[in-house]
Amino acid sequence: QVTLKESGPGILQPSQTLSLTCTFSGFSLSTYGMGVGWIRQPSGKGLEWLANIWWDDDKYYNPSLKNRLTISKDTSNNQAFLKITNVDTADTATYYCARTHMGIPDDWGQGVMVTVSS
Amino acid sequence: DIVMTQSPSSLAVSAGETVTINCKSSQSLLYSGNQKNYLAWYQQKPGQSPKLLIYWASTRQSGVPDRFIGSGSGTDFTLTISSVQAEDLAIYYCQQYYDTPYTFGAGTKLELK
Repeated sequence: QVTLKESGPGILQPSQTLSLTCTFSGFSLSTYGMGVGWIRQPSGKGLEWLANIWWDDDKYYNPSLKNRLTISKDTSNNQAFLKITNVDTADTATYYCARTHMGIPDDWGQGVMVTVSS
Repeated sequence: DIVMTQSPSSLAVSAGETVTINCKSSQSLLYSGNQKNYLAWYQQKPGQSPKLLIYWASTRQSGVPDRFIGSGSGTDFTLTISSVQAEDLAIYYCQQYYDTPYTFGAGTKLELK
């Protein structure tokens, strides 16, 4: 059974760095074709794909936020991470991580709410 | 970026009806190398994360009821839900994974009449 769970700070102030962790089970990020993606959703709005990391450590970033994003993984501990620098109120959202298998995001975590407020 | 346009934005239905949700991409999602359309459909219920229903435009994810049917190719795709049940009330999103950045449609909200 595949499970993913996101964790984060809950609330942070503008200009700070947001650090998110995705802890997963039921698959390995060292398996060919596997990846973990980060997607966010502001309250009542649509979905935005932020970044993806693959089994071979290839990385993808959404160009709209590319300079602010860093994705990484710890294969041994079944975790993936996302950092977003210099946050502002527009980064307030629920952040999801999802397993991507051969490019298809097939299992999602429950999401973690992040609020940016002074 | 590939733009995904969904219609309608909302739909009011009665239980038992058949509904159709449309999704149009700004460029073809059909890869000639394998003849697959890189298009997925998701269902999101209130307070829940999106759930994968359909991938490769028409392949149902394991455990998804067969009343959910995906069709289409190239730039035009459809999600059909036959005999809608109360549990199907949700927001439905299409998403392309043909090219980065992966992009989603704005969603179609399915409501009860």
